[in-house]
Amino acid sequence: QQQVKQSPQSLIVQKGGISIINCAYENTAFDYFPWYQQFPGKGPALLIAIRPDVSEKKEGRFTISFNKSAKQFSLHIMDSQPGDSATYFCAASTVSGRALTFGSGTRLQVQP
Amino acid sequence: SQTIHQWPATLVQPVGSPLSLECTVEGTSNPNLYWYRQAAGRGLQLLFYSVGIGQISSEVPQNLSASRPQDRQFILSSKKLLLSDSGFYLCAWEARRKNIQYFGAGTRLSVL
Repeated sequence: QQQVKQSPQSLIVQKGGISIINCAYENTAFDYFPWYQQFPGKGPALLIAIRPDVSEKKEGRFTISFNKSAKQFSLHIMDSQPGDSATYFCAASTVSGRALTFGSGTRLQVQP
Repeated sequence: SQTIHQWPATLVQPVGSPLSLECTVEGTSNPNLYWYRQAAGRGLQLLFYSVGIGQISSEVPQNLSASRPQDRQFILSSKKLLLSDSGFYLCAWEARRKNIQYFGAGTRLSVL
């Protein structure tokens, strides 16, 4: 059973545009929601994370929006750049849990 | 600072041959350790995790096994590789109760 559903599978955005990736979860016990960025041939790296006590977290051009009642969270990349082209994974876990549950990934391509 | 090493970077093996992938972590003690597999264009599938020496939990029944002979060493093995074992294998470590997983550079395994 997939516990974190991610969409879209792929996304093409023009340089300077806004990239939006969405995730939905089922397990109400989840209380930690990170996003990972992966470049081709590399391991994923933590990009930004949020806990459900806040509805939004911003770090530079990257923002996580969190809707606890809808069990959804999203990543917004403002002023998208070609260097942002990568695969993005959402994930979820519990603080006391043992492992992250990852979404299926979104391949983002930012065209110059 | 903490670093994670994974080797080899690439590996081509015939069907039925054995496998040994190694992962070591430096600069931390008593980490949680993980093995993931990523099929081409797909998400991350958790294979094994370990909370201590000799403590291995398996998430997916298969012909792979894992061992943790030392605190900061995690090994992924197989006695006989299958074609379906091809993929990108990632090792990750996590400080206790920090929920941030740091990934290695990965091993691309091709079983022919």
